[in-house]
Amino acid sequence: QKEVEQDPGPLSVPEGAIVSLNCTYSNSAFQYFMWYRQYSRKGPELLMYTYSSGNKEDGRFTAQVDKSSKYISLFIRDSQPSDSATYLCAMSGVWSGNTPLVFGKGTRLSVIA
Amino acid sequence: GAGVSQSPSNKVTEKGKDVELRCDPISGHTALYWYRQRLGQGLEFLIYFQGNSAPDKSGLPSDRFSAERTGESVSTLTIQRTQQEDSAVYLCASSPEGTSGNIQYFGAGTRLSVL
Repeated sequence: QKEVEQDPGPLSVPEGAIVSLNCTYSNSAFQYFMWYRQYSRKGPELLMYTYSSGNKEDGRFTAQVDKSSKYISLFIRDSQPSDSATYLCAMSGVWSGNTPLVFGKGTRLSVIA
Repeated sequence: GAGVSQSPSNKVTEKGKDVELRCDPISGHTALYWYRQRLGQGLEFLIYFQGNSAPDKSGLPSDRFSAERTGESVSTLTIQRTQQEDSAVYLCASSPEGTSGNIQYFGAGTRLSVL
């Protein structure tokens, strides 16, 4: 079993839909959870990060972490064609000290106008 | 431009040749990472540098892969005797030291094709 599992999709939704992206993980030491967005032929850019369990909201984006279930989610409300990208979850057990992140495979999302 | 810069953006090479990939991190960032992203796969950690400490090479897939970094500046990733399975996008990231240290800023990557 891989440390981080993420459904690669592709996921296709109409404009305005609510999108749910998910990852599961096996390493209970993970404390910090991140979502990166990667447009085609670009590097990943950080979208959101959360620490431990709970929710975090930023505009149309909400990140949720359920450590008891080892499950994280990213919700996108009122999805736009510009949200079409690959979304990668990433996690780490350490915040400071600069450690490599463990990434999921990424979910490719297409928002159709 | 204040972002992470990688060159070349694309590289096509023949099997058996050596290639060198370059990364210019964000100025002042102490940590630098190399990842590999194969088609349809997530990012696979290769190596990371933290200041003047010994690099963490635990992710390098074979002894054909090596990387160097001078101080807190440019890094080069070298792949010797390239194989077709080395074809991938090689991504470099940097991050500052401190409480926000695990936020990594990525370059656009070098797309390597081994024929």
